[in-house]
Amino acid sequence: ELKVEQNPLFLSMQEGKNYTIYCNYSTTSDRLYWYRQDPGKSLESLFVLLSNGAVKQEGRLMASLDTKARLSTLHITAAVHDLSATYFCAVVPMNRDDKIIFGKGTRLHILP
Amino acid sequence: DGGITQSPKYLFRKEGQNVTLSCEQNLNHDAMYWYRQDPGQGLRLIYYSQIVNDFQKGDIAEGYSVSREKKESFPLTVTSAQKNPTAFYLCASSPIGGLEQYFGPGTRLTVT
Repeated sequence: ELKVEQNPLFLSMQEGKNYTIYCNYSTTSDRLYWYRQDPGKSLESLFVLLSNGAVKQEGRLMASLDTKARLSTLHITAAVHDLSATYFCAVVPMNRDDKIIFGKGTRLHILP
Repeated sequence: DGGITQSPKYLFRKEGQNVTLSCEQNLNHDAMYWYRQDPGQGLRLIYYSQIVNDFQKGDIAEGYSVSREKKESFPLTVTSAQKNPTAFYLCASSPIGGLEQYFGPGTRLTVT
């Protein structure tokens, strides 16, 4: 059974600090997604990572994928309050494109 | 504008009543999905469909039913057999073998 684990599940941090959210998964995959969800809202796609070593950056967020370690990271640089949200990683198992498995999410709270 | 619509945004029902949640997309996507999200939790897959007139159970299908009579539409019925139906329901779609899922705005169902 494919498991997707995010760490930490809750993070409170000061503005201006850097931090990393980790996403580990338990089976072979070459497709990983990061989503953002604001309270009471839907999910917004942030990054699509398709190959080992893939790195994508958008503003203060940078995502990377290591398929050999089955690990993705979402790095936050110089956090600002607007980045407060819940971040989900999601994985598509290799050779299956009909299901995507979500982690439980990391609730990020950035203090001014 | 292309996108996914869900209606209604908020829905209140009495226990024992069936209720149907609407999901429509004009993205010409083949695959559609229903997820359930409980407070502080990740997404759990209820049902998905990759083609008209065909659908598969997800991880928590008990107490739910779906239909896929048209490519654009994938309604979800929450039946009285669902023991704890109060939750936030998200619909998503993707092209077959596509890179990512696109989410609707969600329906918050409260059953009392």
